Amino acid sequence: RKEVEQDPGPFNVPEGATVAFNCTYSNSASQSFFWYRQDCRKEPKLLMSVYSSGNEDGRFTAQLNRASQYISLLIRDSKLSDSATYLCVVAASGYSSASKIIFGSGTRLSIRP
Amino acid sequence: DARVTQTPRHKVTEMGQEVTMRCQPILGHNTVFWYRQTMMQGLELLAYFRNRAPLDDSGMPKDRFSAEMPDATLATLKIQPSEPRDSAVYFCASGLAMSNQPQHFGDGTRLSIL
Repeated sequence: RKEVEQDPGPFNVPEGATVAFNCTYSNSASQSFFWYRQDCRKEPKLLMSVYSSGNEDGRFTAQLNRASQYISLLIRDSKLSDSATYLCVVAASGYSSASKIIFGSGTRLSIRP
Repeated sequence: DARVTQTPRHKVTEMGQEVTMRCQPILGHNTVFWYRQTMMQGLELLAYFRNRAPLDDSGMPKDRFSAEMPDATLATLKIQPSEPRDSAVYFCASGLAMSNQPQHFGDGTRLSIL
């Protein structure tokens, strides 16, 4: 089993729809969680950190479920520009030690007009 | 906006040649990461430096790859000799060694080994 797993998709949804992805992780000691987006042939860019209490940034909401060991990303009122691959990142103990930082393989999202 | 700078952006060379990729982390960042991304494998962590010291290079093939930080403003990743299977996009990222601090990626080096 991979340490971090994501549904590869692709998710193909109409503009304006709400879409959600999950990312599961196997290391219960994981402490830091992030969502990145990566456009085709570009570098990954931080979308948002994921906090224990959940957090929202505009149309994007991130949640952490430690009991079930997954993080989620919800996108409301999706735009064409949201089409990208979304990568979840899990780190065992932040960057204060030689922790392994694991990227999921990504979920492809395609928004259609 | 401060950015991670990688050079070269593209590199095409024949197998057996030495390849050197360079990265200038964001000023003030004390962690540097090297990743390799392919369609088949996704994003793989190759090496991780904190305060210029290598902390984790377990993801890096030791026989042909080497990573160094000669100073705080330069990280290098070398492949010698290169092989066609090394063809990939190599990303450098930098960050701060504190919990919940994200990494910031450079544009990547697209490497093709013929």
